[in-house]
Amino acid sequence: QVQLQESGPGLVKPSETLSLTCTVSGYSISTDYFWGWIRQPPGKGLEWIASMYHSGSTYYNPSLKSRVTMSVDPSKNQFSLNLSSVTAADTAMYFCARTYCGGGSCNWFDPWGQGTLVTVSS
Amino acid sequence: DIQMTQSPSSMSASVGDTVTITCRASQGVSSWLAWYQQKPGKAPKFLIYATSTLQSGVPSRFSGSGSGTDFTLTISSLQPEDFATYYCQQGSSFPLTFGGGTKVEIK
Repeated sequence: QVQLQESGPGLVKPSETLSLTCTVSGYSISTDYFWGWIRQPPGKGLEWIASMYHSGSTYYNPSLKSRVTMSVDPSKNQFSLNLSSVTAADTAMYFCARTYCGGGSCNWFDPWGQGTLVTVSS
Repeated sequence: DIQMTQSPSSMSASVGDTVTITCRASQGVSSWLAWYQQKPGKAPKFLIYATSTLQSGVPSRFSGSGSGTDFTLTISSLQPEDFATYYCQQGSSFPLTFGGGTKVEIK
């Protein structure tokens, strides 16, 4: 059973870089699938941030592209998210997820991590 | 970007009711549309993909339909555990986008 767990600081200062890690268990990220990040500001909807294939092919949301970097560490079975120059608007629950392939697309998300709340404040 | 618009944004229903939620894409996404259920403080749960295919373990009272730009999620015989917020998501092209959500509340 694949499980994902996000980790990282819960509080980040404005203008600094938000760094999160997703640790995967029950499946080797080097085997297959895209891996992704999605966020949800408090009381609001879901926003896709980025997806990366284990080989390194990466897709970023254009609205965040200039500030986002996603990477994979197969040796630790982890993937990471860096979001630079954060502001209060980046305060959100951040979820990591594996993509699911079905019906001709590999752009669904299942399973998800439980999420980690990141607050941007001085 | 493909904009996803859900309606209604919230609704009240009773146990046993049939509920229909609509999702409209700003341009055609073929059948590449998914639905998720989210309860407070939890991660979204993957319900349906490719418009109408139920993910393993999802009760058959959930169903999806549509194509192109207009899609629906129907919950037949609403159960207490179905009260949640539902999101659609297009998987047609990057950037992947979600609808704004529909909160189904107890009447």
